[in-house]
Amino acid sequence: DVKVTQSSRYLVKRTGEKVFLECVQDMDHENMFWYRQDPGLGLRLIYFSYDVKMKEKGDIPEGYSVSREKKERFSLILESASTNQTSMYLCASSLLAGNSPLHFGNGTRLTVT
Amino acid sequence: SQQGEEDPQALSIQEGENATMNCSYKTSINNLQWYRQNSGRGLVHLILIRSNEREKHSGRLRVTLDTSKKSSSLLITASRAADTASYFCATGPNSGYSTLTFGKGTMLLVSP
Repeated sequence: DVKVTQSSRYLVKRTGEKVFLECVQDMDHENMFWYRQDPGLGLRLIYFSYDVKMKEKGDIPEGYSVSREKKERFSLILESASTNQTSMYLCASSLLAGNSPLHFGNGTRLTVT
Repeated sequence: SQQGEEDPQALSIQEGENATMNCSYKTSINNLQWYRQNSGRGLVHLILIRSNEREKHSGRLRVTLDTSKKSSSLLITASRAADTASYFCATGPNSGYSTLTFGKGTMLLVSP
């Protein structure tokens, strides 16, 4: 079974801090994704990556950046956290992007105070 | 951008009853997928149906796809309390390198 591991389940950070959310997958998938999930808004794609060192903006990339130095690891970076970035962050990986199932981690609930 | 839209937003049934959730979308798709999310957890993939398929089964799940109406339904038969979760549809577009677009989900509550 594919395992996608997110480094933290809960995180509390202060406004202005730089925040790193880490995600690791163990199935050699090319594609990795970061979503955020908010009540009433569903899942929204922040960034995705289809190869090492490659990244593409999703629907809501503002205020975020990503890093993919190794195939198995995809990091989401909040350069200067703000309260409107309080959310549930979900990492996923897949074999064929939109044409195969996504495998999700358990999520990181980030609170920015 | 949101493409899939689930209906109803919330559904409450008794154990043993069937639950039906619907998903509508706007543009042509390559495939449509259904996911389940238990409270506070990540999403779990349930079933993928391709645009040239009309129906697919997996255990107590039945998914139908009507591309002419741009809609899909997820039927859970003989529901159990453990089926209580949110259910999301996600569409894979038919053009270029694609990513899935998720709907806002249906919250299903199954009471014992």
